[in-house]
Amino acid sequence: AQTVTQSQPEMSVQEAETVTLSCTYDTSESDYYLFWYKQPPSRQMILVIRQEAYKQQNATENRFSVNFQKAAKSFSLKISDSQLGDAAMYFCAYCALYGGATNKLIFGTGTLLAVQP
Amino acid sequence: KAGVTQTPRYLIKTRGQQVTLSCSPISGHRSVSWYQQTPGQGLQFLFEYFSETQRNKGNFPGRFSGRQFSNSRSEMNVSTLELGDSALYLCASSGTTGVATEAFFGQGTRLTVV
Repeated sequence: AQTVTQSQPEMSVQEAETVTLSCTYDTSESDYYLFWYKQPPSRQMILVIRQEAYKQQNATENRFSVNFQKAAKSFSLKISDSQLGDAAMYFCAYCALYGGATNKLIFGTGTLLAVQP
Repeated sequence: KAGVTQTPRYLIKTRGQQVTLSCSPISGHRSVSWYQQTPGQGLQFLFEYFSETQRNKGNFPGRFSGRQFSNSRSEMNVSTLELGDSALYLCASSGTTGVATEAFFGQGTRLTVV
């Protein structure tokens, strides 16, 4: 069974600094997607960034970038120039792509990010 | 384009009752997934519907069921409610092709069982 592990329950960063959130996963599949979602106090899950496993190039989205190491099954999120609005719970998620069609997300336990002014 | 709409936002039910939650996906999306979020178990996949068919199911008891209508709106039903069913229930709407894409989430329904 696929699993997603986030080993950092809480992290803190100073405003304008850089922080990296860790995520590892376990799967025997070769085709899959990885995601980072943000859940602010409003509780609505917001997609931050997505990575297709077959792409070796790391995904970037403005201040957010990932370090995807497929062999190591590692998928970390780097937030640059942290802003107060980045404070939230961050979830790493895995989605297999077998049979050509599935949308089942497997989530990690989350990392609560605090941004200090 | 309207986002994913979940109703109601908050619900209080008594143990033993049943409840129905509703999710309207983004226009044109045919996949709707449901997740349960609790402090103890985190985010857990309940089931996914695509074009009115259940395509995937999580490890939940049969008290949890769902369906999808021809307009892609989905409902989730929980019968014989237990205290442990208290949770935030999130609905996610995905793409038009059925291939894994980013999921757009609703704001959730907060269910409290007393």
